[in-house]
Amino acid sequence: DAKTTQPPSMDCAEGRAANLPCNHSTISGNEYVYWYRQIHSQGPQYIIHGLKNNETNEMASLIITEDRKSSTLILPHATLRDTAVYYCIVRVVGSWGKLQFGAGTQVVVTP
Amino acid sequence: GAVVSQHPSRVICKSGTSVKIECRSLDFQATTMFWYRQFPKQSLMLMATSNEGSKATYEQGVEKDKFLINHASLTLSTLTVTSAHPEDSSFYICSAREVGQGKNTEAFFGQGTRLTVV
Repeated sequence: DAKTTQPPSMDCAEGRAANLPCNHSTISGNEYVYWYRQIHSQGPQYIIHGLKNNETNEMASLIITEDRKSSTLILPHATLRDTAVYYCIVRVVGSWGKLQFGAGTQVVVTP
Repeated sequence: GAVVSQHPSRVICKSGTSVKIECRSLDFQATTMFWYRQFPKQSLMLMATSNEGSKATYEQGVEKDKFLINHASLTLSTLTVTSAHPEDSSFYICSAREVGQGKNTEAFFGQGTRLTVV
């Protein structure tokens, strides 16, 4: 599976949009982009995933560039409960489904 | 999303003893389960992948005789840490997904088990 690169940390003001970048320049055509987050001392939580089209759900929006070499996760109105480590992962479609986690981005939402 | 439950959430054991951690899928059939380990301030490290009724596939560097995985049913997988030592102290997390018969769910995670070996 392709490797991803994320900034180690970022701060966000409560109520503002949080834009989390992810670089996956070696992504293959059959690899999805997944986002998970992990709140301290809990298991990871699925957020969203996409292949090449932008996706939106009740938690976030995922914007994937046309060349698919990078993506951005958008939390539209960050709350204090969004403080967590956010992981961007690429996974081959139809594979066993195992997710290999990188270092992620520690997001701190401040009042 | 689907619910994956781990038990216990926290356990302390003496060095040399074995500890069993359970992972259950509550509202779906977990055809595939994954076990991860996470040390403080580090990311999750995949230990093994198991399919119901089959032997687990371990990642490189993970001792299969020390970390025994049983996935005997579609709703339960267990990880047994045998002859635990202090260096095995970690946060253990399971994940499950349902694949097959038209289903291909995302991976859902348990809440994790904090193991402390003293």
